[in-house]
Amino acid sequence: NAGVTQTPKFQVLKTGQSMTLQCAQDMNHEYMSWYRQDPGMGLRLIHYSVGAGITDQGEVPNGYNVSRSTTEDFPLRLLSAAPSQTSVYFCASRLAGSSTGELFFGEGSRLTVL
Amino acid sequence: AQSVSQHNHHVILSEAASLELGCNYSYGGTVNLFWYVQYPGQHLQLLLKYFSGDPLVKGIKGFEAEFIKSKFSFNLRKPSVQWSDTAEYFCGVLSSGSARQLTFGSGTQLTVLP
Repeated sequence: NAGVTQTPKFQVLKTGQSMTLQCAQDMNHEYMSWYRQDPGMGLRLIHYSVGAGITDQGEVPNGYNVSRSTTEDFPLRLLSAAPSQTSVYFCASRLAGSSTGELFFGEGSRLTVL
Repeated sequence: AQSVSQHNHHVILSEAASLELGCNYSYGGTVNLFWYVQYPGQHLQLLLKYFSGDPLVKGIKGFEAEFIKSKFSFNLRKPSVQWSDTAEYFCGVLSSGSARQLTFGSGTQLTVLP
């Protein structure tokens, strides 16, 4: 199994440009989420979804949109990139009813906004 | 809202030294606790987790952690570190409720000198 797959791994944008970070998982996990990782701040939750058609905001949702049309995919959209969105982004998933709650992470997408 | 504190931002040790990384959380209810590790250039991987039962949990690569409920702590330990343990370590708390969010601390960078 591929697990959680993120694309692209690296991206450079100019301020104001838009882009979509892709996330796909093949483990039939209901729950999917996006985190951003910044030095000294750990991982902060951006958006999450507990199933197809259901999304909700996390700790730092401003400037990001998500949708969940299928169980497998959970793309993260930046509509108008800003330098403050320079970060490493991680997608993670788990079974919604999992008693262990273990999150499985993708390899990350490093985004630089100039 | 729950929060997680990791007070050690950067720890430098020599090989064979003992390790203890602190993690404190603020949440009054039932908690599920995690330690994740991120090796250089890689994604986060689960090191160990606590859900119930024995408060001393053992994880991979000789790591262990002790849940002390009265101190709201879940410190990570290893008796003798190796150069290959150089990584960033994140403590996480899984919330209760329908969405069960995983909140991370700010991380501790461990550097082990050969």
